[in-house]
Amino acid sequence: DADVTQTPRNRITKTGKRIMLECSQTKGHDRMYWYRQDPGLGLRLIYYSFDVKDINKGEISDGYSVSRQAQAKFSLSLESAIPNQTALYFCATSAGTDIEPQHFGDGTRLSIL
Amino acid sequence: QKEVEQDPGPLSVPEGAIVSLNCTYSNSAFQYFMWYRQYSRKGPELLMYTYSSGNKEDGRFTAQVDKSSKYISLFIRDSQPSDSATYLCAMKLSGGYQKVTFGIGTKLQVIP
Repeated sequence: DADVTQTPRNRITKTGKRIMLECSQTKGHDRMYWYRQDPGLGLRLIYYSFDVKDINKGEISDGYSVSRQAQAKFSLSLESAIPNQTALYFCATSAGTDIEPQHFGDGTRLSIL
Repeated sequence: QKEVEQDPGPLSVPEGAIVSLNCTYSNSAFQYFMWYRQYSRKGPELLMYTYSSGNKEDGRFTAQVDKSSKYISLFIRDSQPSDSATYLCAMKLSGGYQKVTFGIGTKLQVIP
């Protein structure tokens, strides 16, 4: 079983809809992250969380919100989806020190029509 | 100018070749350097993680950091078709939490 599980793996939806992407992990890591990946732009950080009560904006948080429901669960919501939010979305985790590397899930492919 | 520059490729090599993948960066304060491998429809998988300058070897993979030139490399010896993937370089500063800055990835194809 994957250590970092993302659901759904694929989603097609319409402009204006609210979307939730979910991430759960069994690695026991405290830190969790949401990224989006676009061709030619690479991975960009949307939000990150160091524990349930510690949530921080990344470089491209506008139009997104997150919820850390438990140490192992971190959800990303698109409040009112727009076509330029079509991308690959990845959740990542890391252990609770600043030097630990991040480990990624297999992503959600989101298309907004 | 991007903080991290990486040629997107694609790079095609015959099986058994030595592959050299590279990134340049502009921020001389970067201290931690990573290489991730990403297969199609999968998430990035950590391959190599190094601190500061020098070489690190793991099986067929060698990571090299040249801080004076602001240049990092990943070498793959005896390349295999299973090495066909996109390779992302990544780096970050030291001192407290620092975000990771990723390259856009180089797509590698190893031809049998």
